[in-house]
Amino acid sequence: EPEVTQTPSHQVTQMGQEVILRCVPISNHLYFYWYRQILGQKVEFLVSFYNNEISEKSEIFDDQFSVERPDGSNFTLKIRSTKLEDSAMYFCASSGPLAGRYIQYFGAGTRLSVL
Amino acid sequence: EDQVTQSPEALRLQEGESSSLNCSYTVSGLRGLFWYRQDPGKGPEFLFTLYSAGEEKEKERLKATLTKKESFLHITAPKPEDSATYLCAVQTGANNLFFGTGTRLTVIP
Repeated sequence: EPEVTQTPSHQVTQMGQEVILRCVPISNHLYFYWYRQILGQKVEFLVSFYNNEISEKSEIFDDQFSVERPDGSNFTLKIRSTKLEDSAMYFCASSGPLAGRYIQYFGAGTRLSVL
Repeated sequence: EDQVTQSPEALRLQEGESSSLNCSYTVSGLRGLFWYRQDPGKGPEFLFTLYSAGEEKEKERLKATLTKKESFLHITAPKPEDSATYLCAVQTGANNLFFGTGTRLTVIP
């Protein structure tokens, strides 16, 4: 069964460093997303991406964040200068048409720990 | 402002003891309501999507229903492997999902 793959599963970084989280969406999907979940809190939307550009972003997705689809299979989230409060699980999701509907399927997540 | 409220926050059931989880929502234009299951340290796993009031979906011991203001996830004769956090999410005018805080279900053998 196709699945969304995320790497690494756990990333530890020092405050102020840049990190890149990687995702391989399901191959025939058209929309890609990043969400985050701070420990004990709800899943929050960060950004959606379609046709090689951002289609929507939340207030959380400020100038320190960027997304890219560098090739036909990968989708990345870059955090330029990490802060302690960026520590969270980051989930990638993708969706594609299925009987005219778009269901978002999530990866297993990357746990980001900022020290 | 869009709101999604799930109750209860936590639920402990004996194996075989049926119950329901609630998701109430206040949104401007519902495009879809989604139920996901999340195991500790894992990503949300899709269960159901509902699009209009009166719609129902079933999968094994789970049944999801939708009204104009809320959705229920009914669990019939649960087993320990049903223990997880169940997340409700709404999709409005945009493509993104707006999640509730979830109900943490524990099924005791």
